[in-house]
Amino acid sequence: KNQVEQSPQSLIILEGKNCTLQCNYTVSPFSNLRWYKQDTGRGPVSLTIMTFSENTKSNGRYTATLDADTKQSSLHITASQLSDSASYICVVSGTGTASKLTFGTGTRLQVTL
Amino acid sequence: DAGVTQSPTHLIKTRGQHVTLRCSPISGHKSVSWYQQVLGQGPQFIFQYYEKEERGRGNFPDRFSARQFPNYSSELNVNALLLGDSALYLCASSLRLAGESSNEQFFGPGTRLTVL
Repeated sequence: KNQVEQSPQSLIILEGKNCTLQCNYTVSPFSNLRWYKQDTGRGPVSLTIMTFSENTKSNGRYTATLDADTKQSSLHITASQLSDSASYICVVSGTGTASKLTFGTGTRLQVTL
Repeated sequence: DAGVTQSPTHLIKTRGQHVTLRCSPISGHKSVSWYQQVLGQGPQFIFQYYEKEERGRGNFPDRFSARQFPNYSSELNVNALLLGDSALYLCASSLRLAGESSNEQFFGPGTRLTVL
């Protein structure tokens, strides 16, 4: 069964600090992995999309990494801001019959003063 | 350019009723996907439509149905509502099939359905 697991479930950090969110997946065969940011009660917004051949991709203060061999990804947030408070969802797509998107349950990040 | 729009934004129904949720994709996008997101969980895939044909179905009962119109807008219908159908229903559009590489999905704001 295709699964995507994220850790930690929730995280509280001080403004200005860095943090790293983890994503492990079992989707096979693998096509691409996405990170989304979702504010409470809103639709997710795409941060990065990475294919098998990409092992890092940045979007401003967000940097995603991918290790397709170990089936792990991380999202690193640098110099956090209060507006980074949101849920971060890892989404994996396979190929062929596994081509639909499989969503993780998300990491709830809270940035405080 | 308008993003993905959904209507209504909020809806309250009682058990046994039916509901129709609507989605307008970004202009030029031919793929629409529907997701159910229960509070505290990630979105769960319900349907994907591409060029007006169903191209994928998640693990949901037959009470859930959808269709895509010639203008690529879409409706999600849920019959015989249960308390457990209370959730945020998200619509997403993209140029190509949702899972394809480099094919970004754009989500709408969602419809919050409460079943009493």
